[in-house]
Amino acid sequence: DVKVTQSSRYLVKRTGEKVFLECVQDMDHENMFWYRQDPGLGLRLIYFSYDVKMKEKGDIPEGYSVSREKKERFSLILESASTNQTSMYLCASSLNLNTEAFFGQGTRLTVV
Amino acid sequence: GESVGLHLPTLSVQEGDNSIINCAYSNSASDYFIWYKQESGKGPQFIIDIRSNMDKRQGQRVTVLLNKTVKHLSLQIAATQPGDSAVYFCAESSGNNRLAFGKGNQVVVIP
Repeated sequence: DVKVTQSSRYLVKRTGEKVFLECVQDMDHENMFWYRQDPGLGLRLIYFSYDVKMKEKGDIPEGYSVSREKKERFSLILESASTNQTSMYLCASSLNLNTEAFFGQGTRLTVV
Repeated sequence: GESVGLHLPTLSVQEGDNSIINCAYSNSASDYFIWYKQESGKGPQFIIDIRSNMDKRQGQRVTVLLNKTVKHLSLQIAATQPGDSAVYFCAESSGNNRLAFGKGNQVVVIP
């Protein structure tokens, strides 16, 4: 079974802190994604990566950056956390174009 | 997550009845569609997918129907069980390496 693991289930950070959310997948998938999920808004794509060191902006990249130094790991970085970044963050991976994405269990981030 | 279901359309269904969840998509170039299920506190789980060269696909207790003419997707769950209570999302892709998700539908199964 594909496993996508996010490093934390719950995080509380202060406004202005630099925050790292880590995600690891164990199935050698090419593509990895970061979404945020908010009530009533569904899942919105922040960034995705289709190869090591490659990244593309999603629909809401402002305030975020990403890093993919190794194929199995995709990190989401909040350079200076703000309260409007309080959300559920979901990492996913997929083998290639037009195949299903497998999700991690999510990280609920609260910025105070 | 636990707050995902707030503000969502809700379908209440009696245990044992069939459920139908609908989804309208906007991109006529989309050629791949997926249904996901998300239980409280968990990430979305894949249920079933369909490609645009098909109009129906069946899995175990689930059927997905695709109507490209009106850009409509539906998920039918047969003999709904308490474990089917969750938020259900449709997602579409046009081959650009990204999935676009709908806002979700909450299904509540009444024992």
